[in-house]
Amino acid sequence: KAGVTQTPRYLIKTRGQQVTLSCSPISGHRSVSWYQQTPGQGLQFLFEYFSETQRNKGNFPGRFSGRQFSNSRSEMNVSTLELGDSALYLCASSLEVGSSNGYTFGSGTRLTVV
Amino acid sequence: AQSVAQPEDQVNVAEGNPLTVKCTYSVSGNPYLFWYVQYPNRGLQFLLKYITGDNLVKGSYGFEAEFNKSQTSFHLKKPSALVSDSALYFCAVRDLNTGGFKTIFGAGTRLFVKA
Repeated sequence: KAGVTQTPRYLIKTRGQQVTLSCSPISGHRSVSWYQQTPGQGLQFLFEYFSETQRNKGNFPGRFSGRQFSNSRSEMNVSTLELGDSALYLCASSLEVGSSNGYTFGSGTRLTVV
Repeated sequence: AQSVAQPEDQVNVAEGNPLTVKCTYSVSGNPYLFWYVQYPNRGLQFLLKYITGDNLVKGSYGFEAEFNKSQTSFHLKKPSALVSDSALYFCAVRDLNTGGFKTIFGAGTRLFVKA
């Protein structure tokens, strides 16, 4: 069974640009959650999608957005990049929202903003 | 609001000794509790979970965790540590009583196991 696939693995962008990250969940998993991981803040919840609808949202500015497609693949977008957006962005899939199963995480996309 | 605290940034233990990584949580209702491990340049891997029932849950790689409702704790334990257990460990809670059921993670505890 293929795992959670995140692309790209590494990304370098300039301040002010925008970026799109992609996540393909495990086959059959319909819920996709996104987290930002930084050394100082740990894992911060961004949002969760299920059946193409955002079900939960964390406390991030509107520059951070996402969507989910009918095949459960998800993308997140960050516009007007700031230096502080440099982080490891992790995608996690699960069967459904509120599932008693744990997440399966991708290896992450490491974004560096210069 | 739900929250998770991992009071130790780092835990050091000698190989062969027992290890404990602490976690306390705060939720408005009944929680799902999880432990994950992260190795360098990788995503998190699921170790174990508490949903209901027996307070001692067993997971991957010989790890176990004890749920204590009165102390709102969910400490991770292993009877005999291995050097290969050295990694970053995260406790997480999913509050079933708040809309959305989002999962919140602790700040992480770095475990060093010395040979």
